[in-house]
Amino acid sequence: AQTVTQSQPEMSVQEAETVTLSCTYDTSENNYYLFWYKQPPSRQMILVIRQEAYKQQNATENRFSVNFQKAAKSFSLKISDSQLGDTAMYFCAFLSGAGGTSYGKLTFGQGTILTVHP
Amino acid sequence: NAGVTQTPKFRVLKTGQSMTLLCAQDMNHEYMYWYRQDPGMGLRLIHYSVGEGTTAKGEVPDGYNVSRLKKQNFLLGLESAAPSQTSVYFCASSYGGQGSQPQHFGDGTRLSIL
Repeated sequence: AQTVTQSQPEMSVQEAETVTLSCTYDTSENNYYLFWYKQPPSRQMILVIRQEAYKQQNATENRFSVNFQKAAKSFSLKISDSQLGDTAMYFCAFLSGAGGTSYGKLTFGQGTILTVHP
Repeated sequence: NAGVTQTPKFRVLKTGQSMTLLCAQDMNHEYMYWYRQDPGMGLRLIHYSVGEGTTAKGEVPDGYNVSRLKKQNFLLGLESAAPSQTSVYFCASSYGGQGSQPQHFGDGTRLSIL
């Protein structure tokens, strides 16, 4: 079974600065997807960014980018020019690309609470 | 755009009572999921469905039952609620199970069992 670990329960950053959230995972698969979800106080689960394991290029979405290290099984999220609206819980998640019983099932990390200070 | 709608948003139950959480999606998605979110543990999959009339167990299925009689609806039932089921419950849906077809989440249901 896959596991996802977020070792930073809480992080804080000043507005306009850059912050990096860490995520490691464990799998024996070669084909999979990794995600970062944002959960603001409103409780919504919002997809921030997605990375396909077979793509070497790191995914970017505006101020959000990832550092995907497949060999090290590491998937960190970098938020540039942090904004007050970035304050939220951030979850890293793994999705198997294989068929069978793992198909479609997300495995989440424990979450990191990010606070952006003015 | 409604997306994924969960009913109710909040509920308080007494131990031993039963209830059903309703999830409805209007995106014609085949796959639907129920997760629970507990502090320090992220989201964990309870049950899921890959199409109308099908259901399957996830990581933490004990104490819950589900039904998918209509494609757009996925019901989560607690037959005899226990304090350990106090949690925030999320429903999600997707076109399929591939990573290129991301899951869309509802706004959650906060359930307290006294």
